[in-house]
Amino acid sequence: QLQLQESGPGLVKPSETLSLTCTVSGGSISSSSYYWGWIRQPPGKGLEWIGSIYYSGSTYYNPSLKSRVTISVDTSKNQFSLKLSSVTAADTAVYYCARHVLGPGLDYWGQGTLVTVSS
Amino acid sequence: DIQMTQSPSSVSASVGDRVTITCRASQGISSWLAWYQQKPGKAPKLLIYAASSLQSGVPSRFSGSGSGTDFTLTISSLQPEDFATYYCQQANSFPKTFGQGTKVEIK
Repeated sequence: QLQLQESGPGLVKPSETLSLTCTVSGGSISSSSYYWGWIRQPPGKGLEWIGSIYYSGSTYYNPSLKSRVTISVDTSKNQFSLKLSSVTAADTAVYYCARHVLGPGLDYWGQGTLVTVSS
Repeated sequence: DIQMTQSPSSVSASVGDRVTITCRASQGISSWLAWYQQKPGKAPKLLIYAASSLQSGVPSRFSGSGSGTDFTLTISSLQPEDFATYYCQQANSFPKTFGQGTKVEIK
């Protein structure tokens, strides 16, 4: 059974860089059928797609965040990562990683991790 | 970007009721639409993909329909475990935009 697990600091200071890693187990991140994505949800609000990456390194980002976002993949560790720079309180959210099947959608999700931006 | 608009934003219903949620895309997306269910404190769960295909393990009381710009999620007979928030997402192109969500509440 495929499992995804987010990890990283739960508290980030304003203007700093948020860094999260998603570890994939029970399957290979190098499968040619899938992308791997990041989605976030501010407290009490809806879902926002941040971006997705293919195992080869091809990336797609939400234009509203593109200038601040970097998603990378480490196939040797079966992990992919998110970096979001120059964070503000508006970036406080639960961050989810998920497997992204082009067309069908996001079929496996991590449990999510709350990241709070505060000094 | 393709904008996704759901309606209603919330609905109150009783166990056994038929519930319908609609999702409209700002431009045509063929059948590339997914529906998710989210319960408080949990990650979203994929229910329907390609507008009408039921994800494995999802009860048959859930169904989806539509193509182009207008889509519908129907719960034929609401069960206690179905009280949750439902989101549509267009899967046609990047960025993968979500609707704002529809909360299904107990009447």
